[in-house]
Amino acid sequence: DAKTTQPTSMDCAEGRAANLPCNHSTISGNEYVYWYRQIHSQGPQYIIHGLKNNETNEMASLIITEDRKSSTLILPHATLRDTAVYYCIVRTQGGSEKLVFGKGTKLTVNP
Amino acid sequence: NAGVMQNPRHLVRRRGQEARLRCSPMKGHSHVYWYRQLPEEGLKFMVYLQKENIIDESGMPKERFSAEFPKEGPSILRIQQVVRGDSAAYFCASSPESDSYGYTFGSGTRLTVV
Repeated sequence: DAKTTQPTSMDCAEGRAANLPCNHSTISGNEYVYWYRQIHSQGPQYIIHGLKNNETNEMASLIITEDRKSSTLILPHATLRDTAVYYCIVRTQGGSEKLVFGKGTKLTVNP
Repeated sequence: NAGVMQNPRHLVRRRGQEARLRCSPMKGHSHVYWYRQLPEEGLKFMVYLQKENIIDESGMPKERFSAEFPKEGPSILRIQQVVRGDSAAYFCASSPESDSYGYTFGSGTRLTVV
């Protein structure tokens, strides 16, 4: 079972920031937070991951609370092509632990 | 550097036939994972393989499904005697030994059983 809780759906205006929350209250000390997205009918795409510090890359920023029980994925300037299902996943880095996908958040970016 | 290659992209089989889905991982990746996505549902883990070894098959149906990742060549997901309920998108992912950035997924194979 997925160890995270996400809203079922969200809307965002094109050009605005999209902030996607995720709760992971039972996260362990050695578990990372990963974000993937799946654009309709395509394979999931890795976005970003982090342990406890905030992370930023060319796609997004990841803000993890100090107690690590929740996080927020930020798409700074959402475009129509960012419409997708976004998955927040917690797992240890490396090893043989598989990625377990929950239901994710369906983000719709509106013109 | 080519990504994860899956073929065929679309596969149609009649009930009772066999389906073979192929996955070539990214260069340098030695771990392969198969996921299934039923229509309007989420991704479900099926099996995790390394070269010549099945590491975790906890998500594989007990009958008709098998997977392999031989020393040479692609990983194969094989479904024998397909039924309508096997119609789904099957995604393969690969990762390197270090697994620092999670998995890279292929574009999937869409299996339709008629």
